[in-house]
Amino acid sequence: SQKIEQNSEALNIQEGKTATLTCNYTNYSPAYLQWYRQDPGRGPVFLLLIRENEKEKRKERLKVTFDTTLKQSLFHITASQPADSATYLCALASWDMRFGAGTRLTVKP
Amino acid sequence: GAGVSQSPSNKVTEKGKDVELRCDPISGHTALYWYRQSLGQGLEFLIYFQGNSAPDKSGLPSDRFSAERTGGSVSTLTIQRTQQEDSAVYLCASSPGGGQGSSGANVLTFGAGSRLTVL
Repeated sequence: SQKIEQNSEALNIQEGKTATLTCNYTNYSPAYLQWYRQDPGRGPVFLLLIRENEKEKRKERLKVTFDTTLKQSLFHITASQPADSATYLCALASWDMRFGAGTRLTVKP
Repeated sequence: GAGVSQSPSNKVTEKGKDVELRCDPISGHTALYWYRQSLGQGLEFLIYFQGNSAPDKSGLPSDRFSAERTGGSVSTLTIQRTQQEDSAVYLCASSPGGGQGSSGANVLTFGAGSRLTVL
């Protein structure tokens, strides 16, 4: 069966450090993978998209990698700030869009 | 509209009653998605529309759940004979296109959700 797994339910890091979140998938062949941010009481907001033929994508302090052999994406936030605290979701595009369960990131001052 | 609108934002109902949740997508977006999110959980896929058609209904939890989309725009999710386990936030999202071959058009814009509480 198809699965999307985000490695940890919660991640706590100190301000200024790099946060690394993992998304693994099985039985998918996605054309691309996306990352979203969700704050409490709100819908997810799109952050980044990476295609299957791209190894890495950057946007300001965010970096995403995509390894189709390992079936894994890594999402990095460098120089993390308390305002980065949120739940981060990966999503796979097939004929529809399926999401992982999310990782709740807390950045402590 | 400028964003995805969902109504009602909050709905409290008694067990056994029917509820209708409405989603008004961004104008021109052909793809529309419904998800369910229970407290502290991830997004559970319910159904996806491309235009007025629903190629994938596999996520609907039971035959008490149904959804329709008319005119390629507004969608309604109906839950009949609600149960307490139906309590959750129901999120709607729309995107410009759909399908794996759509060259990245599937960036989803979400509404704020409809919080359903079944007593």
